[in-house]
Amino acid sequence: QVQLVQSGSELKKPGASVKVSCKASGYTFNTYGMNWVRQAPGQGLEWLGWINTDSGNPTYAQGFTGRFVFSLDTSVSTAYLEISSLQTEDTAVYYCAREPKTFDYWGQGTQVTVSA
Amino acid sequence: QSALTQPPSASGSPGQSVTISCTGTSSDVGGHNYVSWYQQHPGKAPKLLIYEVTKRPSGVPDRFSGSKSGNTASLTVSGLQAEDEADYYCNSYAGNLIWVFGGGTKLTVL
Repeated sequence: QVQLVQSGSELKKPGASVKVSCKASGYTFNTYGMNWVRQAPGQGLEWLGWINTDSGNPTYAQGFTGRFVFSLDTSVSTAYLEISSLQTEDTAVYYCAREPKTFDYWGQGTQVTVSA
Repeated sequence: QSALTQPPSASGSPGQSVTISCTGTSSDVGGHNYVSWYQQHPGKAPKLLIYEVTKRPSGVPDRFSGSKSGNTASLTVSGLQAEDEADYYCNSYAGNLIWVFGGGTKLTVL
């Protein structure tokens, strides 16, 4: 069965970096795009962008270029989201989601908390 | 890319039907048939309910249905049950490899 398993919660100080992983299983990794979505406390879902798991080409949503970087390690069927220069406003749950023209499977979410 | 517009809240009594709207533009909802709906219970990951406007994944009850007219998509929940109380989000393909979500609707079962 398809599963997306994300890395555990992170507590970081402002200015630090964090790397969230999303390990896929149960399907051929490079046949579906991988999207990243975040949800700030009490807020809605916000699309950050996606990465083509075949070519490795990323696409970033408006406002998420520069500090947000998507990457892959296809040898272990894992996608990564790295956020640099963390700000308190980056505190949120970050989800990965598989995409075949819809977001059909989601990871369990990774809580990233940015606090001094 | 602006978020799709959803009402912040909706409610209904058990057994009733409720419809949640999702309004976009001709660049997203109106221009593509890749509109999906997700259900999210507190502390849980979103779950796919409807994709490609009207299709239901295996395992989703047929009480959930989707439709679209022009730039507005809709999710109808029929025969409301207590477990339907959750947040609901729409999303749409917006062209140029871009996706957009709605702001979410909190559904309360009275």
